[in-house]
Amino acid sequence: EAGVTQSPTHLIKTRGQQATLRCSPISGHTSVYWYQQALGLGLQFLLWYDEGEERNRGNFPPRFSGRQFPNYSSELNVNALELEDSALYLCASTPTGGLIGSNQPQHFGDGTRLSIL
Amino acid sequence: GENVEQHPSTLSVQEGDSAVIKCTYSDSASNYFPWYKQELGKRPQLIIDIRSNVGEKKDQRIAVTLNKTAKHFSLHITETQPEDSAVYFCAASIYNFNKFYFGSGTKLNVKP
Repeated sequence: EAGVTQSPTHLIKTRGQQATLRCSPISGHTSVYWYQQALGLGLQFLLWYDEGEERNRGNFPPRFSGRQFPNYSSELNVNALELEDSALYLCASTPTGGLIGSNQPQHFGDGTRLSIL
Repeated sequence: GENVEQHPSTLSVQEGDSAVIKCTYSDSASNYFPWYKQELGKRPQLIIDIRSNVGEKKDQRIAVTLNKTAKHFSLHITETQPEDSAVYFCAASIYNFNKFYFGSGTKLNVKP
């Protein structure tokens, strides 16, 4: 089975621009999670989508947003880019969310490396 | 919210020795604790997980222990091999919140 796929692999932007990152979960998975991994640091939880709705978000400003499409793929949008947004953005998926999903391992994609010049 | 602390940040062992990585968490409602291995430039991969109704779980050379009272859990790797070299992350998840809190990572270096 195909794993979680993310695009693009690399994205270079300048301050103030907007970035769109895409994620396709494993076939049959309905929950998608986004994480930010700054260089040398751990994974910071950004957003969780399940069944097309935003279910939870981490401690990030509103300029980090996203959506989930009917086919369960997801987009992460970052507006008004700042230098400190430079990081690896990882997407993960689980078969479902809620009671069961919180106890399931997350399957990660290879990430999108976002560089802000 | 939950806070997961992970130690040590770097760990260097000789091939064949054991490695232990420890994590503590703050929220007693956390009940699922996965461990991920991230090799350089690659995606994090689940290597083992444990739920709060279990105290220990083993999978070949890897084991995880959980102490709910003390709110800490540990990863044990025995007979380490050079291919075990990677960054290891622990995580904690609170039931039904689907919000995983990750530790800051441990860079394990296994010297041949």
